Amino acid sequence: SQQGEEDPQALSIQEGENATMNCSYKTSINNLQWYRQNSGRGLVHLILIRSNEREKHSGRLRVTLDTSKKSSSLLITASRAADTASYFCATASGSARQLTFGSGTQLTVLP
Amino acid sequence: EAGVAQSPRYKIIEKRQSVAFWCNPISGHATLYWYQQILGQGPKLLIQFQNNGVVDDSQLPKDRFSAERLKGVDSTLKIQPAKLEDSAVYLCASSPATGGTEAFFGQGTRLTVV
Repeated sequence: SQQGEEDPQALSIQEGENATMNCSYKTSINNLQWYRQNSGRGLVHLILIRSNEREKHSGRLRVTLDTSKKSSSLLITASRAADTASYFCATASGSARQLTFGSGTQLTVLP
Repeated sequence: EAGVAQSPRYKIIEKRQSVAFWCNPISGHATLYWYQQILGQGPKLLIQFQNNGVVDDSQLPKDRFSAERLKGVDSTLKIQPAKLEDSAVYLCASSPATGGTEAFFGQGTRLTVV
């Protein structure tokens, strides 16, 4: 079953604009992670935010986590054509810290 | 450092045939995951190993899927017999310690069942 649901399902923006993707989940978590997947490739880890953290930055990425609303957002600033990919949130929960993925947001950055 | 290796990259089989996928995780990684990703969807966890023990296989269709992790290193995932709905990309990933930490993914095996 999918733990997280991303919103929107698809997003198209111009190069240089910011892109925001949202993730909602259902159960309590240990941490939440964001991954990127280019077409036909494996997933690449972007950033991890622990359940006791509210915001985290990494380069052009900013992640927020609101555990009371069971939601997270990923902001990519000053987007580039190379950022075109699918983005997935994944929650780590359960006794074995199972990593459960959402349905993803397809981001297209137009040059 | 070498990444997660998977083989084959592509496989086409007829329904009711059997197929096996192989995964070699990053050296020293204790946790190994197998995911199924159907086109247009997010990865679905099939099975999670901690060293050579299974810690979660709740979503593995055990009547047709099986997996093992040999000596806590390499892993194989088998489907027997395959159904049309098994067409998907099968992704292997590993993490250095316990589950829930950063996962490193292989390129996946794209299975087409005809």
